[in-house]
Parts: sequence; structure tokens; C-alpha cells
Amino acid sequence: NAGVTQTPKFQVLKTGQSMTLQCAQDMNHEYMSWYRQDPGMGLRLIHYSVGAGITDQGEVPNGYNVSRSTTEDFPLRLLSAAPSQTSVYFCASSYSPLGGLGELFFGEGSRLTVL
Amino acid sequence: ILNVEQSPQSLHVQEGDSTNFTCSFPSSNFYALHWYRWETAKSPEALFVMTLNGDEKKKGRISATLNTKEGYSYLYIKGSQPEDSATYLCALNYGNKLVFGAGTILRVKS
Repeated sequence: NAGVTQTPKFQVLKTGQSMTLQCAQDMNHEYMSWYRQDPGMGLRLIHYSVGAGITDQGEVPNGYNVSRSTTEDFPLRLLSAAPSQTSVYFCASSYSPLGGLGELFFGEGSRLTVL
Repeated sequence: ILNVEQSPQSLHVQEGDSTNFTCSFPSSNFYALHWYRWETAKSPEALFVMTLNGDEKKKGRISATLNTKEGYSYLYIKGSQPEDSATYLCALNYGNKLVFGAGTILRVKS
């Protein structure tokens, strides 16, 4: 069972470039989310989705876009990369809406550096 | 959505010591409290999901309690081992959003 798979694991971008971080899960989870992790701070929610076709903003959505065309995939797009977006990004999914007891299952993370 | 505070920020203990750390929150207006364990170079993994005041969970040498009235949860590790070294994250479930604390870094020396 692959679980949550993120690609790429490492990426270096120049300011102004765009890119997409891919996330796929094979557990048939309805809920998927993206977090960023910065030194000294907790994981901060960027965007989330409660099912195919449904997305919403988290705490720090500016500069990022998401879409959810299938249950399995939840890509995160950086529209015009900025140095402030240098971070480690985690995709996570859950088998139940988080109003229930659903724990998050995390991918391995994607380390992004913006020069 | 309110802040989740974790203390201490870091902790160094000797192998065999028992230890505990705290997750505190100003309001009990959430669905559940989660604890995650995050080892270096790996992904966070869920330890416990707690929902009720007075809830207690246990997994091996690790246990947790929740006191929603006083606004805290404790995570206990009995007889710490080097493999317990990790960052322990607390998070509050506000429905479709999980808000994380900054974590407690535990280092266990053998």
C-alpha cells in the first residue's frame, strides 16, 4: 500500500517561476490537504478538499492554487514563486471528514527552495 | 481558530527517564485533539485522537490525557528510549481544519 505519495521530493525554483507539487493517495480518502512547515512554526494549512470538485482555503492560501478533479489526486500549484515560499510542503489525507475521528496520513514531504 | 501552545519547546532526557509534555488551548470549541509523532526525515504519524473531557489513551509506553475544562492535554512517555526521540505535535480538529502547535522536540540520550 503506497499511502500518500508526493512528487517531487526536492525542487529549486527561481523567483517568478511556476510549478506544481503532486499528491496522490490510494486509500480512497475523501479529505486531502496541503500544509507547509517552516522552522519554529507548526504545520500551517494552505488548502484542503473534502471531496472531488470541492476545495477551500486554509490559514495561508495566498500564492497557491489547488484543484481536485479525482478522489486520488490533489495537486498544489505555485503561480509565481517567491522566496517566502521556501518551505517543506506536506500533503495529508484522511478517511473521514475531520469533524469525526479521522487522523491525517502524511506524505513524505517536498522541500522547495525559491532563489 | 485559536492558537495551540506546546511546552516545553524541547526536552533532553536520559534513557529510562519518564517524561511528559503539554498541549494547551484557550477554548474547548473543537471536535478532537490529535497527537502526532514526527521522526527526523520521516512524515508525522498519528498517535492518538481524543474527543472527550477526561479521555485517556495508551499505546505501549506512551499515554495521553485530555482535560477540556482546564484547557490542556498531557502526553506521557514512560521509561524513555532513544527510539522515542522525535518531535511530538499536538493539533486541534475544528471540523475541516486541523490546527497544529509548534511541537515539542524530545531527545533521549543512551
